[in-house]
Amino acid sequence: DIQLTQSPSFLSASVGDRVTITCRASQGISSYLAWYQQKPGKAPKLLIYAASTLQSGVPSRFSGSGSGTEFTLTISSLQPEDFATYYCQQLNSYPLTFGQGTKLEIK
Amino acid sequence: QVQLQESGPGLVKPSGTLSLTCAVSGGSISSSNWWSWVRQPPGKGLEWIGEIYHSGSTNYNPSLKSRVTISVDKSKNQFSLKLSSVTAADTAVYYCAREEKHSGSYDWGQGTLVTVSS
Repeated sequence: DIQLTQSPSFLSASVGDRVTITCRASQGISSYLAWYQQKPGKAPKLLIYAASTLQSGVPSRFSGSGSGTEFTLTISSLQPEDFATYYCQQLNSYPLTFGQGTKLEIK
Repeated sequence: QVQLQESGPGLVKPSGTLSLTCAVSGGSISSSNWWSWVRQPPGKGLEWIGEIYHSGSTNYNPSLKSRVTISVDKSKNQFSLKLSSVTAADTAVYYCAREEKHSGSYDWGQGTLVTVSS
């Protein structure tokens, strides 16, 4: 199985901050990586697919980059509604796997 | 936008079989998508269980493969999950989702909590 390791696991930041979350894969996955946002009691929401393509309706302050084994999700200017848990998922090979999550909290 | 709705018992006895159905609306289950199940134990991360195509082709997580069956009912525009020999470790919120190959899960159900307990 391909392991995905997100860092950090917890992140404390303020409204207006720029934050970056990293997702590292245990082997190359090309650009077959998605990022999700999950709020408490809600289903995950797809933010980015193919490593860097913004899903329709997602604010442009979210961006993704990377290929191979290292990927990043960046939020350029945090808004109050962005405080949530973020997961990466690889879709290169079976079984599909998720990172352990990064919880973004208000400082 | 496709809507998905999970349904099924919220309580299953240990060693029993967990059975859930995901009803799809706003789109056809025979479209070029995969239909997947993902679970999340309370307070923990996401685990992909498996997926099915409308043709009946499936892919399962090897960690669950011996206990999992995913099936599709095109006449009812729905797909289902069966997980046998459940234990407390299978207690989780179960989500169904519409997945595009190599892209991700674009639409999700709201999730349903299944508790394994006697």
